Amino acid sequence: LAKTTQPISMDSYEGQEVNITCSHNNIATNDYITWYQQFPSQGPRFIIQGYKTKVTNEVASLFIPADRKSSTLSLPRVSLSDTAVYYCLVGPEHSGNTPLVFGKGTRLSVIA
Amino acid sequence: EAEVAQSPRYKITEKSQAVAFWCDPISGHATLYWYRQILGQGPELLVQFQDESVVDDSQLPKDRFSAERLKGVDSTLKIQPAELGDSAMYLCASSRDRNTEAFFGQGTRLTVV
Repeated sequence: LAKTTQPISMDSYEGQEVNITCSHNNIATNDYITWYQQFPSQGPRFIIQGYKTKVTNEVASLFIPADRKSSTLSLPRVSLSDTAVYYCLVGPEHSGNTPLVFGKGTRLSVIA
Repeated sequence: EAEVAQSPRYKITEKSQAVAFWCDPISGHATLYWYRQILGQGPELLVQFQDESVVDDSQLPKDRFSAERLKGVDSTLKIQPAELGDSAMYLCASSRDRNTEAFFGQGTRLTVV
């Protein structure tokens, strides 16, 4: 599975847009890019997934350039409750019977 | 909304003691995973079940760890004897089939003293 690189930590004030970039230079043709969010003392939860261009849902947007060697998770107008660790993963579209491979993630701290 | 249930939420044990964690996956989910998450790291797979069968336990330290899912529903992860380095969050996840996502439980935080 392709390895990912993302910043260890980021700080933001409430109300700002936060962009977290992930590098995945060795992404395979069939790989999808998936982002998970993990709050303290909870398990990770799926927030968004994409293959190319742009994907948007009620939580976030995911921007993927044409070469797919990187991706950017965008969180609009963050609040204190968005403080969490965000993981970028590269692999099959569904994790149903393929174990997820997590890196260290990006620890986002939102400040009032 | 159905959830993966884990118990206990927190466990403190002395080194060399035995400890066990329980996971009840979402009903109908055939695949069950156990992950270990050391503080500051991402979760790492310990074992994967498909129904009652082990699919992958290559990362499970078998000298002290064991996992079972006897009836293909709930699962137990055991450590005996516990070591200080086993202090971590133990996460269970389940999925219905290969074309769906896996969902995580809240985890069991183990502290070995």
